[in-house]
Amino acid sequence: GENVEQHPSTLSVQEGDSAVIKCTYSDSASNYFPWYKQELGKRPQLIIDIRSNVGEKKDQRIAVTLNKTAKHFSLHITETQPEDSAVYFCAASEGGFKTIFGAGTRLFVKA
Amino acid sequence: EAGVAQSPRYKIIEKRQSVAFWCNPISGHATLYWYQQILGQGPKLLIQFQNNGVVDDSQLPKDRFSAERLKGVDSTLKIQPAKLEDSAVYLCASSLGTGENEQFFGPGTRLTVL
Repeated sequence: GENVEQHPSTLSVQEGDSAVIKCTYSDSASNYFPWYKQELGKRPQLIIDIRSNVGEKKDQRIAVTLNKTAKHFSLHITETQPEDSAVYFCAASEGGFKTIFGAGTRLFVKA
Repeated sequence: EAGVAQSPRYKIIEKRQSVAFWCNPISGHATLYWYQQILGQGPKLLIQFQNNGVVDDSQLPKDRFSAERLKGVDSTLKIQPAKLEDSAVYLCASSLGTGENEQFFGPGTRLTVL
């Protein structure tokens, strides 16, 4: 079946460093790629998303890149802060249908 | 604006028992989703409603799981009978439409099957 693979499963960085999380998807019909942040014991919340007609999108310290040919997309967090510590999920969908989530990346930002 | 509401927040049952979860989406949101999130994994879509119609239930174990969204607003998800492997957090989410819209998640119901 369709699949979204996410790496790494765990990422530890020093405060102020950058963090990169990578995802690959298998369904070539996927055209919408959101990223969610889930803090411990809380609900997932959208932090950024990208559509297939765009190669890169940036919002302050967060950026996402998409390579449709390779079916890769990545989340970049710059100048990390302790409050960035959480689990991050990538997802892929066909115009909002058949949303498939990755397994998640647990990010630790050490002060 | 009020968020997505779910109840109960926690439920403990024994295997082979039945359980039901309730979700009230954000007012005006046409699309409602039910996800299963097993500990340490990403959310897995079980069913997606557009108003009161099902648009995707391909990953719903229909022999034991059922869901409905009467009147296109509130929704219930039922498991009958429950198995040990159903232990998970059940998340409800809603969005404005079926397009590329942000999904807003509820707090989830943590189900433990003993």
